[in-house]
Order: sequence, then structure tokens, then C-alpha cells
Amino acid sequence: QQQVKQSPQSLIVQKGGIPIINCAYENTAFDYFPWYQQFPGKGPALLIAIRPDVSEKKEGRFTISFNKSAKQFSLHIMDSQPGDSATYFCAAKSGGYQKVTFGTGTKLQVIP
Amino acid sequence: GAVVSQHPSRVICKSGTSVKIECRSLDFQATTMFWYRQFPKQSLMLMATSNEGSKATYEQGVEKDKFLINHASLTLSTLTVTSAHPEDSSFYICSARDAGTTGNTIYFGEGSWLTVV
Repeated sequence: QQQVKQSPQSLIVQKGGIPIINCAYENTAFDYFPWYQQFPGKGPALLIAIRPDVSEKKEGRFTISFNKSAKQFSLHIMDSQPGDSATYFCAAKSGGYQKVTFGTGTKLQVIP
Repeated sequence: GAVVSQHPSRVICKSGTSVKIECRSLDFQATTMFWYRQFPKQSLMLMATSNEGSKATYEQGVEKDKFLINHASLTLSTLTVTSAHPEDSSFYICSARDAGTTGNTIYFGEGSWLTVV
């Protein structure tokens, strides 16, 4: 059972655009929601994370929006650049368990 | 920042042989490490949770006798793929949590490409 659903599967935007990646979860025990960026042939790197007690978090050009009642969260990338082209994974973790449940991933391509 | 190192980054082995992949936390101690498998263009699938000083906990469907995990110290976990077959070819990634903190940050290694020929 896929506990974290992610969409879209792929996304193409022009430089300067604002790609938005959406995720939804089912398990209400999740209390930590990180986003990871993965380049081909590399391990995932933590990009930004949020806890459900806040509705938005910004770090540089990356923003997470969180809707606890809808059990949804999304990643916005402001002023996207070709260097942002990568696969993005949303994830979720509950406090009592250290294992991370990943979404299915979104391949982002930012064209010049 | 915290670093998790995997070795080797790429390995090719013959079918039927065994191969060991190491995961080290370089500047922190990790009582728990995780091993993931990732097929091309797919998400990371958790294989097992490696606990220092005790047996690993395997996810449903993962053969524990085929994927041997040893967490010998607070900075090292190893994954041994035994009697490897071509279908075991994949990208294997480990992650670790800093035992010295109460935070949620989990650090990932760079991954190891395994090709079984």
C-alpha cells in the first residue's frame, strides 16, 4: 500500500517558472515531512522539511505548503533554474519510527 | 554537515558470487541505519533497518538470507548480497540518523550501483 502519493510523475517548466509538486498521505501518525532532491546516479539529499504544526515553510527558493486537514503537502520552487532539474521525492516519517516512507517521485526538467 | 559514505560506488560481480556494500557515518554515530533499493526511474524502497548490536529488521518480501546486514559498530553497517543474480542489479542506498541528536534529520549515502553479469 502506497502511503505517500505524489504527483505529477514528471514536470517540465521554463526557467523562472514555479513548478509545484503535490503529495498526499494517509497515515495520521506521520509528523515529519521532508523533501529530497536526487540527481541521476546520486543518493537523495534533504532539501527542506516541515512538521504539521505549521502551514508553510520557506528556505531560499523552496517552499513547502502543508494542509493538515486534507493530509496534503506540496513543494513550490520559485524562480526555477536549469540546475534544479532533478527528481524530487516527498516523504513522511512518524516520531516513533525512524524509517522514511517515500513518494513515487517527480522528475523535474527546467528548460532554459 | 553530516556525511554518510558508501563503498563501493559501483561494483560488477558475476552471477552466483556475493558482494558487500559498506555504509559509514563519517562524523556522527548511528545506532540505526537503513538500506534502500532503487530501480531506474522508481522510488526508494526500504529493504531493512539495521540496528547496531542486534539483528536487522527486514521489510516484508525482502529475503533476509539473501541480503545479509551487519551493523558491527556505531559508524558502520554492511549489506551483503549473497549468490547474486542479474535481477539483483540495482542502486542500493543507505541512510543513517545521528544518534546524538533528537532531531529527525536522516542523512543518505551516495548510493552503490550493483551490476550482476
